[in-house]
Amino acid sequence: EAGVAQSPRYKIIEKRQSVAFWCNPISGHATLYWYQQILGQGPKLLIQFQNNGVVDDSQLPKDRFSAERLKGVDSTLKIQPAKLEDSAVYLCATLRGGDAFFGQGTRLTVV
Amino acid sequence: QKEVEQDPGPLSVPEGAIVSLNCTYSNSAFQYFMWYRQYSRKGPELLMYTYSSGNKEDGRFTAQVDKSSKYISLFIRDSQPSDSATYLCAMSAPLSGNTPLVFGKGTRLSVIA
Repeated sequence: EAGVAQSPRYKIIEKRQSVAFWCNPISGHATLYWYQQILGQGPKLLIQFQNNGVVDDSQLPKDRFSAERLKGVDSTLKIQPAKLEDSAVYLCATLRGGDAFFGQGTRLTVV
Repeated sequence: QKEVEQDPGPLSVPEGAIVSLNCTYSNSAFQYFMWYRQYSRKGPELLMYTYSSGNKEDGRFTAQVDKSSKYISLFIRDSQPSDSATYLCAMSAPLSGNTPLVFGKGTRLSVIA
C-alpha cells in the first residue's frame, strides 16, 4: 500500500510571498487532515476534509490560509501572504479506522 | 490548560533501560489514545493504539491508559539506539465519525549505546 505523498519536501520563501503544498492521500481514504507542526511542538490541526467537503476548519487562519480537496482525492494547502511565524512542517494525514497515516511533510521556512 | 500535556524532555537513557513516557489530558470525552514515533525530518508513524482504559502490549512497547486519572503512558523495554526519536501522544473523541487527533508536544528520547 502506497503511503501519503507530499510535495515539495522543503520550501524557502520570503515573507509576504505565497506558497502551495500538495498532498496525495492513500487511495480510498476519505478523511484527510492538514496539520501544522512548529519546531518543538506537536502537530496542530489546520483543516479536516471528508471526501471533498470541509468538516473542520476552525483553526485555519482563513485570512491567509486556504485549502481544497479536488474530487475527494488530492489536496492543496496555500498560504498567501506568508508570515515569519508560518515557518513549520506542514503534514498531511489520512485516516483508516482509527489509524492516521502521515506523509513526510513539507518543511517551510519563511525568511 | 492545554487539552494534552506532555513533558518535552529531552530524555536521555542508556541502551537497555526501561523508558517511561507520559501524557495527561483534560478532555474526558477522549476515548482513543495513540502513541506516534517521529524520527527527525519524517512524519509521525503510529506505534500503539488503545481504545478506552487498559493496557496493550506490542513487543517491547506497552501502552497504558488510566481514564480516571486522565493519564496515559508508553513504556519501552530494553531500549535500543534505534528508539531515539520524538514520541508524540495523541487522542481523539468519538463524536460523529472521524474526529481529529489532538497531539501532545512530544518527548524527545535519546538512547545512548
